[in-house]
Amino acid sequence: KAGVTQTPRYLIKTRGQQVTLSCSPISGHRSVSWYQQTPGQGLQFLFEYFSETQRNKGNFPGRFSGRQFSNSRSEMNVSTLELGDSALYLCASSPPNRDEQFFGPGTRLTVL
Amino acid sequence: GENVEQHPSTLSVQEGDSAVIKCTYSDSASNYFPWYKQELGKGPQLIIDIRSNVGEKKDQRIAVTLNKTAKHFSLHITETQPEDSAVYFCAAGRDSGGSNYKLTFGKGTLLTVNP
Repeated sequence: KAGVTQTPRYLIKTRGQQVTLSCSPISGHRSVSWYQQTPGQGLQFLFEYFSETQRNKGNFPGRFSGRQFSNSRSEMNVSTLELGDSALYLCASSPPNRDEQFFGPGTRLTVL
Repeated sequence: GENVEQHPSTLSVQEGDSAVIKCTYSDSASNYFPWYKQELGKGPQLIIDIRSNVGEKKDQRIAVTLNKTAKHFSLHITETQPEDSAVYFCAAGRDSGGSNYKLTFGKGTLLTVNP
């Protein structure tokens, strides 16, 4: 089975711009979670989607949003980018009725 | 909310030695404790996990122990090899009403295995 894929792998933006990141879960997985990883704060939970509905949300400002499509693919969007949004954004998917989360390689976002 | 503390932040061992990484958590409702290994340029890889109804779990050279009363859990790697060198993360999660868990991660341990 193919693993979780994320596109793009690298992205450079400037302050004030917006960005959309994409995640394709493992086939058959319906739950998708997003995390932000930075050297200072570590791995922090952003939100989780299941069957096109946001089921859990972390403590991030409203500039961070996401959605999930009927094929379980998910996107996250960050508007009005700030320098502090520079991070590795990780997506993870989970099999039905299981707790394990399988991570993709991440998208490295750099905000200049 | 949940808080997970992980120690040590760096660990250097000789090949063949054992390595132990310890974590504590604050939320007594947490009931799922995975460990991840992250290599440079890659996403975290699940290596082992344990639930709160189990005290110990082993998979070849890797074992995890859980003390629910003290709210701490540990990762044990025996007979370490250079390819075990990576950053290891512990995490804690709880059932949020669905089949998935919102995970809270420790800050990570950089393990270096010297040949």
